[in-house]
Amino acid sequence: AQSVAQPEDQVNVAEGNPLTVKCTYSVSGNPYLFWYVQYPNRGLQFLLKYITGDNLVKGSYGFEAEFNKSQTSFHLKKPSALVSDSALYFCAGRDDQRGYQKVTFGTGTKLQVIP
Amino acid sequence: NAGVTQTPKFQVLKTGQSMTLQCAQDMNHNSMYWYRQDPGMGLRLIYYSASEGTTDKGEVPNGYNVSRLNKREFSLRLESAAPSQTSVYFCASSSGATSTDTQYFGPGTRLTVL
Repeated sequence: AQSVAQPEDQVNVAEGNPLTVKCTYSVSGNPYLFWYVQYPNRGLQFLLKYITGDNLVKGSYGFEAEFNKSQTSFHLKKPSALVSDSALYFCAGRDDQRGYQKVTFGTGTKLQVIP
Repeated sequence: NAGVTQTPKFQVLKTGQSMTLQCAQDMNHNSMYWYRQDPGMGLRLIYYSASEGTTDKGEVPNGYNVSRLNKREFSLRLESAAPSQTSVYFCASSSGATSTDTQYFGPGTRLTVL
């Protein structure tokens, strides 16, 4: 069974500092991994995804994520945090098996950027 | 281009009442999904429709039914609401063309069952 874990319920970072939101995964085949962001009272919005190839994936709003196969991790990063980045972030993943396979979501990490 | 729309935005029900949550997408997507979001539990898949004319159970289908009315619309019905169904419900869609396609989410329906 596939699973996605976000070990931190909340991450606090000062504005202008780099931020990292952690995610680890467990899938049976090659992983397809996603990051979504949810602003208050809104639906989830896609940020970026890893399929194959370059381990550093660049996405929307200056975010990037690093795929690390040996550590089974896919951490979300941004060099300089903005107050407007404060939101709930979800990591999601599935494997590369044929046919429909559901996407498994992590429990979410609340990012608080402090002015 | 509205993307994924959901109605209603808010709803309060009494235990035992029924209701239908509506979802529509205008992106010509094949696949549609219903999730529920509960604190500390992330998103859990209730039902999905990989393509028009098909529906399948997800992780937590008990107490729910769905209808894929056409390619655009995918509704979720609670036949006899229970307090445990108090949650935020999200509809999503994806092209369904590949296994890596992105899901697009609606704004959600906040449901309270008293």
